[in-house]
Amino acid sequence: QLVQSGAEVKKPGASVKVSCKAFGYTFTTFVIHWVRQAPGQRPEWMGWISAGTGNTKYSQKFQGRATITRDTSASTAFMQLSSLRSEDTAVYYCARSYHYGFDYWGQGTLVTVSS
Amino acid sequence: QSALTQPASVSGSPGQSITISCTGTSSDVGDYNYVSWYQQHPGKAPKLMIYDVSNRPSGVSARFSGSKSGNTASLTISGLQAEDEADYYCSSYTTSVVFGGGTKLTVL
Repeated sequence: QLVQSGAEVKKPGASVKVSCKAFGYTFTTFVIHWVRQAPGQRPEWMGWISAGTGNTKYSQKFQGRATITRDTSASTAFMQLSSLRSEDTAVYYCARSYHYGFDYWGQGTLVTVSS
Repeated sequence: QSALTQPASVSGSPGQSITISCTGTSSDVGDYNYVSWYQQHPGKAPKLMIYDVSNRPSGVSARFSGSKSGNTASLTISGLQAEDEADYYCSSYTTSVVFGGGTKLTVL
């Protein structure tokens, strides 16, 4: 399973870092994706990291503002989003890649951006 | 990559079958067998129901099936049950990942 860090409240312009700890499988053999979902909206893919190699790929929308990293010793992936604005208020999920789908998801982390 | 198009809502009675469509383009759905379907109950994380167009993960009921024709993928749920009531999203995984707008399934 994937267990994420707790809810965050941030001011506009700040950064947030969400963690995603993996349990029950070999962390380095899978890719981890980050997906966010604003209230009442469709999920939105942000990017992925290969937990084994550390290679990353980002959605064009988040290139330069999101940074995905991992700590293999802690079986944990991280997603940092900078220059936060109100439109970034959403639930952020990590999810494990399985073929061309996502088979395990974290429980979600609510990030609220408000002045 | 543009978003995928789904009907906003579908409904059916217990025991009936329903189909949810997901329309993309020849650059995503039409050209790749990389369509997945997710079920999402309120306040919960999405759950993978179908991957790579028509494959069911272990533990997912055989009442759920997926298919594709041209630029449109479809999710069929047979023998509708009350617990199937949820939002359903399709996604396409090519150079990036894009999701459909979601379909709210109501079990009457």
